[in-house]
Amino acid sequence: EDQVTQSPEALRLQEGESSSLNCSYTVSGLRGLFWYRQDPGKGPEFLFTLYSAGEEKEKERLKATLTKKESFLHITAPKPEDSATYLCAVQLGGSNYKLTFGKGTLLTVNP
Amino acid sequence: DADVTQTPRNRITKTGKRIMLECSQTKGHDRMYWYRQDPGLGLRLIYYSFDVKDINKGEISDGYSVSRQAQAKFSLSLESAIPNQTALYFCATSGQGNSPLHFGNGTRLTVT
Repeated sequence: EDQVTQSPEALRLQEGESSSLNCSYTVSGLRGLFWYRQDPGKGPEFLFTLYSAGEEKEKERLKATLTKKESFLHITAPKPEDSATYLCAVQLGGSNYKLTFGKGTLLTVNP
Repeated sequence: DADVTQTPRNRITKTGKRIMLECSQTKGHDRMYWYRQDPGLGLRLIYYSFDVKDINKGEISDGYSVSRQAQAKFSLSLESAIPNQTALYFCATSGQGNSPLHFGNGTRLTVT
């Protein structure tokens, strides 16, 4: 069965303390891997799409990377406003549409 | 204004009642989706539609039905609500291919 596992489930950082979130997957035929940010009471907000191993995308303090088995979301010098739940999702090739979401990592950045 | 609008934002209903959740979008996307989010289970796909005449079941469609009234409107119905349908429901849209999903802000549904 295709699976997407995010770790850790929760992460507390001090402002300025860099770290990484992990998304590992066991799907075959990956078509794309997506990262989203979700704030309390809101829908997920799209951050990045990665398509192939070795690819990297950056946006402000966030950088997403992809290997054949996992993706990392690196957060450099985080600020309290980076606090949110970060979700990853994988899309398979060969089908009309199937997006499998991980359960998310709750990030809290303390001032 | 939000690109993907869901109504209502919150709803409390009783077991056995029929309810409808509505979604409208101004993004001009053909593809629309309904997801359910539960603590510890993540987001799961209920139904999806690639155009007005196309409706497809997702992984957890039992107990739900949908209607695609127009390109911009996609509604989710619970014919006879039960307590384990208490959850946060999200509508989303996307463009063609592997374009990312764009989500509404959700409807929090409580079935008592």
